[in-house]
Amino acid sequence: QQQVKQSPQSLIVQKGGISIINCAYENTAFDYFPWYQQFPGKGPALLIAIRPDVSEKKEGRFTISFNKSAKQFSLHIMDSQPGDSATYFCAASWTSGTYKYIFGTGTRLKVLA
Amino acid sequence: GAVVSQHPSRVICKSGTSVKIECRSLDFQATTMFWYRQFPKQSLMLMATSNEGSKATYEQGVEKDKFLINHASLTLSTLTVTSAHPEDSSFYICSARKQGRYEQYFGPGTRLTVT
Repeated sequence: QQQVKQSPQSLIVQKGGISIINCAYENTAFDYFPWYQQFPGKGPALLIAIRPDVSEKKEGRFTISFNKSAKQFSLHIMDSQPGDSATYFCAASWTSGTYKYIFGTGTRLKVLA
Repeated sequence: GAVVSQHPSRVICKSGTSVKIECRSLDFQATTMFWYRQFPKQSLMLMATSNEGSKATYEQGVEKDKFLINHASLTLSTLTVTSAHPEDSSFYICSARKQGRYEQYFGPGTRLTVT
């Protein structure tokens, strides 16, 4: 029940296109949903995060869409660039207690020039 | 900013020896620090959660006597891999959380190779 399912496993997008990565969760007690970007050999970097009280959050080219009833959330990368090629992880967490993350399995994004 | 550093970035050690990895929050006080392990092309696996001045809470299946965690101050946590074996070779990443905040800031990771 604490799993976070992420899809697709890999994604190839043309430069300028939209990259969409989806995550789904079961535990309705989760109330914090961050997305991280990781380059090979580096630690993950926080991109954007959302709480369940909003359905969408946008920061620059990155947008999170959140569907509380479906228990799904997604990351949209607009105008994708070759520099966006990385692995993206969604996570689910709680805003009290342990604050630990449950990570998705990751999506390897490649943006073609 | 919220910068987390790790030292060393890479370490090679012989089987049977112990190795210590440091995790520091450089510009904030970290109420909680987390230690993860990541295998190639896989997700991050939480090993343990530590709060300053308290014993670490280990995830199921993680040997606490093998992976010793010390959160000595609000800016420093250490992970010691004791009696390391080749199967302990992995990428170890720490993260830190500010008090009152939900997000975790990750360090750059430490590549451990046990020969």
